[in-house]
Amino acid sequence: KAGVTQTPRYLIKTRGQQVTLSCSPISGHRSVSWYQQTPGQGLQFLFEYFSETQRNKGNFPGRFSGRQFSNSRSEMNVSTLELGDSALYLCASSLGTTGRDEAFFGQGTRLTVV
Amino acid sequence: GEDVEQSLFLSVREGDSSVINCTYTDSSSTYLYWYKQEPGAGLQLLTYIFSNMDMKQDQRLTVLLNKKDKHLSLRIADTQTGDSAIYFCAERGSYIPTFGRGTSLIVHP
Repeated sequence: KAGVTQTPRYLIKTRGQQVTLSCSPISGHRSVSWYQQTPGQGLQFLFEYFSETQRNKGNFPGRFSGRQFSNSRSEMNVSTLELGDSALYLCASSLGTTGRDEAFFGQGTRLTVV
Repeated sequence: GEDVEQSLFLSVREGDSSVINCTYTDSSSTYLYWYKQEPGAGLQLLTYIFSNMDMKQDQRLTVLLNKKDKHLSLRIADTQTGDSAIYFCAERGSYIPTFGRGTSLIVHP
């Protein structure tokens, strides 16, 4: 079956702009989680969506938002971009019904803010 | 809050065993995971262990869990150059896993 697909793979944006990233989960998976990965901070949890509702949220400012559609595809948006938002953004999908569900990661979107 | 700690680098010679260590703080962790990330790729689940287990072996991989000390290790036997990657330890007490910062494994001939 197809894996988790993230688009685009690479993005370059200017400070102050906004950006939208997309994640298509594995068919049948209802949970999508987003992570920010940077060399300094490692993998930081942004938020998790399950059945179109935000179920968990990490400690990121309100500039970071997301949503999930009825087909489980998810988008995350970052407004008023800052240089420090440059990172690899990973999404992971899982069934989301129990804590043992394996999370499958996409290849990520590399965002560079200049 | 929950925290997961790992050393940042490990260098080994090809053919030797690699041992990557991890400590965590959340005593309610029920699942502990090891993920591998190769350059330019996302994270790939290597193996996981339930908190009521002490050891799990899967081909060249051996996971040891000391729940009392909240210490997890991943041993890779006969390490190959293709094992060079970043290895992440993660714990999960609820729906969301907490990741360590990753250990860069460098395998040299």
